Amino acid sequence: NAGVTQTPKFRILKIGQSMTLQCAQDMNHNYMYWYRQDPGMGLKLIYYSVGAGITDKGEVPNGYNVSRSTTEDFPLRLELAAPSQTSVYFCASSYDGTDTQYFGPGTRLTVL
Amino acid sequence: TQLLEQSPQFLSIQEGENLTVYCNSSSVFSSLQWYRQEPGEGPVLLVTVVTGGEVKKLKRLTFQFGDARKDSSLHITAAQPGDTGLYLCAGGYGGSQGNLIFGKGTKLSVKP
Repeated sequence: NAGVTQTPKFRILKIGQSMTLQCAQDMNHNYMYWYRQDPGMGLKLIYYSVGAGITDKGEVPNGYNVSRSTTEDFPLRLELAAPSQTSVYFCASSYDGTDTQYFGPGTRLTVL
Repeated sequence: TQLLEQSPQFLSIQEGENLTVYCNSSSVFSSLQWYRQEPGEGPVLLVTVVTGGEVKKLKRLTFQFGDARKDSSLHITAAQPGDTGLYLCAGGYGGSQGNLIFGKGTKLSVKP
């Protein structure tokens, strides 16, 4: 199993551009999550999904959108990139919401 | 609102020393997880504790969940340079969402 994979690993955006961060898992996990990690601030939950077709907001959802059309994939969309969205983004998954989450390697995004 | 306080924020020690990292909250959690994160990578789960007073050992690492399930500690005996990294605690409330609340982390550096 590859586990949780994320692409791209690095990306630089200009203010106002849009992009999609990809996340996929091959563990047949129902739950998937998107976090952002800023220096010294821990991980903040952006959006999560408890199954295909079901998504919900986390602690910091503004400026982001998600979709979950399949169990495997959980892309995160930035529509109008802002410097405040410069961060490292992590995708995670878990089987049944019993709190054990497995993380991908992250995407480092810089918005200039 | 920071629900999980980790201390210390930074710790630099010599190889062979012992150390303890603390994770405290005013909230009661159904589970408490400890993750270790190396630069450029995602967090990797070390342990999950679910019962008040529970103690788990992972080689030289000892994890304890407080009796009231509000706090936890991580003790490392005879630290090695390979223990260097960011240690994150995360509290879970259980239920259908599976969301975790992360502390800001303790950055540990073990010098040879």
